[in-house]
Amino acid sequence: DAGVTQSPTHLIKTRGQHVTLRCSPISGHKSVSWYQQVLGQGPQFIFQYYEKEERGRGNFPDRFSARQFPNYSSELNVNALLLGDSALYLCASSPRQTGANVLTFGAGSRLTVL
Amino acid sequence: AQRVTQPEKLLSVFKGAPVELKCNYSYSGSPELFWYVQYSRQRLQLLLRHISRESIKGFTADLNKGETSFHLKKPFAQEEDSAMYYCALPSPEGDYKLSFGAGTTVTVRA
Repeated sequence: DAGVTQSPTHLIKTRGQHVTLRCSPISGHKSVSWYQQVLGQGPQFIFQYYEKEERGRGNFPDRFSARQFPNYSSELNVNALLLGDSALYLCASSPRQTGANVLTFGAGSRLTVL
Repeated sequence: AQRVTQPEKLLSVFKGAPVELKCNYSYSGSPELFWYVQYSRQRLQLLLRHISRESIKGFTADLNKGETSFHLKKPFAQEEDSAMYYCALPSPEGDYKLSFGAGTTVTVRA
């Protein structure tokens, strides 16, 4: 198993554009969570999806949205990009809804907004 | 709201010296706390959780509810311990969400 895979690994966008980040969980994991990690800070929770339903949402504006597909992969979408959205976006998967301790993280997608 | 504080941004120790990373938290209830580690060019990964009371790679962490602390300790640091360390705890509403501290960068010098 390749672990949690994320794409793209790096991308550059300009202000006002839209971005879609993708995540494939570990096989058999039904929960996917998204975190934003700004340089110099710890990861911040954005969303959790379990069985294709949103189960938790962090303190992020409505420009951020996500979904989970029948194969449990997930997309994170960010509209109307701002400079402050520049960050490493981490995806993590776990076998079940609860039990945050068993999160397995991907390598992340580094977004730069110019 | 729960909060995690790691007061040290940077920590530098010599090989063989003890190392202690501080973590303080605010939480309503009985928390389950974790330490995550990120080695250079590797992914964020779980190091240990207090509930398991185990020692991983020589590290231990004791939950002190009176002082609301969960410090990470290792008696003899090794060069391979150089990494970024994050303390984390789940939300009171449900443990699907982790709140992370800002992290401590540890450098172990030869």
